[in-house]
Amino acid sequence: EIVLTQSPGTLSLSPGERATLSCRASQSVRSSYLAWHQQKPGQAPRLLIYGASSRATDIPARFSGSGSGTDFTLTISRLEPEDFAVYYCQQYGSSPWTFGQGTKVEIK
Amino acid sequence: EVQLVESGGGLVQPGRSLRLSCVASRFTFDDYAMHWVRQAPGKGLEWVSGISWNSATIDYADSVKGRFTISRDNAKNSLFLQMNSLRTEDTAFYYCARDKNIAAAGLFDYWGQGTLVTVSS
Repeated sequence: EIVLTQSPGTLSLSPGERATLSCRASQSVRSSYLAWHQQKPGQAPRLLIYGASSRATDIPARFSGSGSGTDFTLTISRLEPEDFAVYYCQQYGSSPWTFGQGTKVEIK
Repeated sequence: EVQLVESGGGLVQPGRSLRLSCVASRFTFDDYAMHWVRQAPGKGLEWVSGISWNSATIDYADSVKGRFTISRDNAKNSLFLQMNSLRTEDTAFYYCARDKNIAAAGLFDYWGQGTLVTVSS
């Protein structure tokens, strides 16, 4: 099973600032099958990024993903008020499909 | 917009059973694999089970293997999760999620709002 470790656990930033979230895998993720999901309190998760760098439908361009192998990054170029949430990375390169423990992006 | 609506959650005693349902709409259900993903209150996400479009491929997390059974009825646009021998650690919100692929490839592109299962005596 691939274990995903996200850092930092919490990111305190102001609107307009840049957010950089990290996800490290315990072994190489096949074909960069790495996704990022956003979850707001009381809501279901929403797919943001798949294939490490492809934006999902209707996801704004301020969200970008990068990385390969075992190291992946989600970048939010300029935080909007609606971006304060928990972000999970998830690998779908090998079953069982696993998630990181999440990074909370909170308002500073 | 894709819609997934779960039901069937509730309070159940340890060792008992519960059946969850998920009704899909606004997309062609049998063109996609489907999954169940759970989240204990205040915790992270855990994949539970997945099923391909034609039910030919089914997979489970080790934590539920032998106790949970996933199934689907394409004629009724519905996904199910039969949960037997429930344990307190199964307490969680259970989300129905669509796979971006026809096979159960593990990429969840749409999620339902979830149904809460509480296992307690």
